[in-house]
Amino acid sequence: EVQLVQSGAEVKKPGESLKISCKASGYSFTNYWIAWVRQMPGKGLEWLGIIYPGDADTRYSPSFQGQVTISADKSINTAYLQWRSLRASDTAMYYCARPRLSGAFHAFDVWGQGTMVTVSS
Amino acid sequence: DIQMTQSPSSLSASVGDRVTITCRASQAISNYLAWYQQKPGKVPKLLIYAASTLQSGVPSRFSGSGSGTDFTLTISSLQPEDVATYYCQNYNSAPFTFGPGTKVDIK
Repeated sequence: EVQLVQSGAEVKKPGESLKISCKASGYSFTNYWIAWVRQMPGKGLEWLGIIYPGDADTRYSPSFQGQVTISADKSINTAYLQWRSLRASDTAMYYCARPRLSGAFHAFDVWGQGTMVTVSS
Repeated sequence: DIQMTQSPSSLSASVGDRVTITCRASQAISNYLAWYQQKPGKVPKLLIYAASTLQSGVPSRFSGSGSGTDFTLTISSLQPEDVATYYCQNYNSAPFTFGPGTKVDIK
């Protein structure tokens, strides 16, 4: 079964760093892009960026470039989203998602369960 | 960057009604358009890709159409389990922006 399993909920203080994970199973991790999507409380879906684990090619939304870092460790089939210095406005649910087709940008048919990040002093 | 808009932002309809949601891209994206359904507290679910292709397992009352800049999602006969927010998404070129969503509930 194709699955993306994300790390658990996090509660952090402003200024702290954080790295959340998305572990893939059931398919060839290096052959599919993986994207990260943000959903702030009560709001819509926002596309943060995407990485191709095979060669670490990474694209960011201009709105999030420099605010987050996307990476992947193909030895353990895991993608990451990290922050160097969290802000209260980073409070949101974060999803990882995989496109339908290998090696291509496409609609996301596989989603992780989401990781809730709460940033509060 | 390509901007996506949706209308209406919300709607209320009766069970059995035909419901249509519109999505517009700020520039042509061919048919690189997906529709997702997100029920409250749940993970988004892919309904339609390539503007009009139904994802496996999705009920046939859902359909999509359009190309270029204008797209529609239609629910032919609204069911109680269709209460959700629906999002369109461009996947023609990065950033793969989502529309702001259309919230659908039962009258």
